[in-house]
Amino acid sequence: AQSVSQHNHHVILSEAASLELGCNYSYGGTVNLFWYVQYPGQHLQLLLKYFSGDPLVKGIKGFEAEFIKSKFSFNLRKPSVQWSDTAEYFCAVSPTDSWGKLQFGAGTQVVVTP
Amino acid sequence: DTGVSQDPRHKITKRGQNVTFRCDPISEHNRLYWYRQTLGQGPEFLTYFQNEAQLEKSRLLSDRFSAERPKGSFSTLEIQRTEQGDSAMYLCASSLALAVADTQYFGPGTRLTVL
Repeated sequence: AQSVSQHNHHVILSEAASLELGCNYSYGGTVNLFWYVQYPGQHLQLLLKYFSGDPLVKGIKGFEAEFIKSKFSFNLRKPSVQWSDTAEYFCAVSPTDSWGKLQFGAGTQVVVTP
Repeated sequence: DTGVSQDPRHKITKRGQNVTFRCDPISEHNRLYWYRQTLGQGPEFLTYFQNEAQLEKSRLLSDRFSAERPKGSFSTLEIQRTEQGDSAMYLCASSLALAVADTQYFGPGTRLTVL
């Protein structure tokens, strides 16, 4: 069965620190990959997505993610976080041979301290 | 820019009552999805429409759940005889299906509390 695993449930770090959130999926075919973010009190927003091409994708607010097909991974990174990056981050996967159903990981709560 | 809207934002009901939620997708989006999210989990797929046709339902969606999208625009999700286990955030998302890409945009959700 298809699954999405996010390695950390909670991450606490200081402003200006670097952030990397792990995401692994299990699916034998080709997938589209997404990171969504949910800021406190707000709805899910798309951070970035990968469909094809360059495996290093850049999203909004300085985030980037790298797709490593051999590792079934799509890790999210930001070189220097800000207090405003405090949020919950969700990795999601959608097989390309499906009609777009997303399977989400459990999410990682990130707290950035001033 | 009008995004996905959902109504109501919060609903408190007693066990055994029926509830109905509404979702208005982004204009011209032909796909509409319902997800359910419980505390500490990511959203779980419930059902999906392409235009007015409901094309897939999750096993999570018991017979007490029904969804419609009568004119291919807004959608409703009804839960009959609510149970405490139905307490969750119900999310709606919409997308414009293209050959390769399908990016879903989410609404704010309806938080259901069943007492």
